[in-house]
Amino acid sequence: EIVLTQSPATLSLSPGETATLSCRASQSVSSSLGWYQQKPGQAPRLLIYDASNRATGIPARFSGSGYGTDFTLTISSLVPEDFAVYYCQQRSNWPLTFGGGTKVEIK
Amino acid sequence: EVQLVESGGGLVKPGGSLRLSCVASGFTFSDYTLTWVRQAPGKGLEWVSSISSTSYFKYSPDSLKGRFTISRDNAENSLYLQMDSLRAEDTAVYYCARVGMTTVTDWYFDLWGRGTLVTVSS
Repeated sequence: EIVLTQSPATLSLSPGETATLSCRASQSVSSSLGWYQQKPGQAPRLLIYDASNRATGIPARFSGSGYGTDFTLTISSLVPEDFAVYYCQQRSNWPLTFGGGTKVEIK
Repeated sequence: EVQLVESGGGLVKPGGSLRLSCVASGFTFSDYTLTWVRQAPGKGLEWVSSISSTSYFKYSPDSLKGRFTISRDNAENSLYLQMDSLRAEDTAVYYCARVGMTTVTDWYFDLWGRGTLVTVSS
């Protein structure tokens, strides 16, 4: 099973700042990594697929990068609705697995 | 409106059974692979099971095989999860999710329901 480790667990930032979230895989997943956003009481929403592709309707301030075992989600110029929990997910190997999440909170 | 709506959650005793349902609308249900993902209270996401568009392929992690059974009825636009021998650690919100249809979105989840809460407790 591929283990995805997200860091930091919590990121405290102010609106307008840039958030940099990390996801590290226990073995290579090539580019087969996605990112989701989840707000309290809501279902997750797909943001990024295959490491760097924005899903339909996702604002350009969300960007993804990485390959192999190290991936980054960058949120430029945070706005209030971006404060949420973010999860990465790999589709390279069975079973499909998610990271433990990074909470982006208002400082 | 494109949506997935889950139902069937509730309180069940350890060792009991429960059947979850998910009804889809606004898209061609029979074209898509569907999935169940769960989230224990205050915890992260865990993939539970997936079923291909024609039900030919079913996937689940080894840890859940034998207790959870996924099925679907394309005529009713419905997805199901039969859960048997339930344990306290199965307590979670269970989400129904749609798998992306293209090769680059395959096995990412591009549409989610709001979830249904399953509580396993005596």
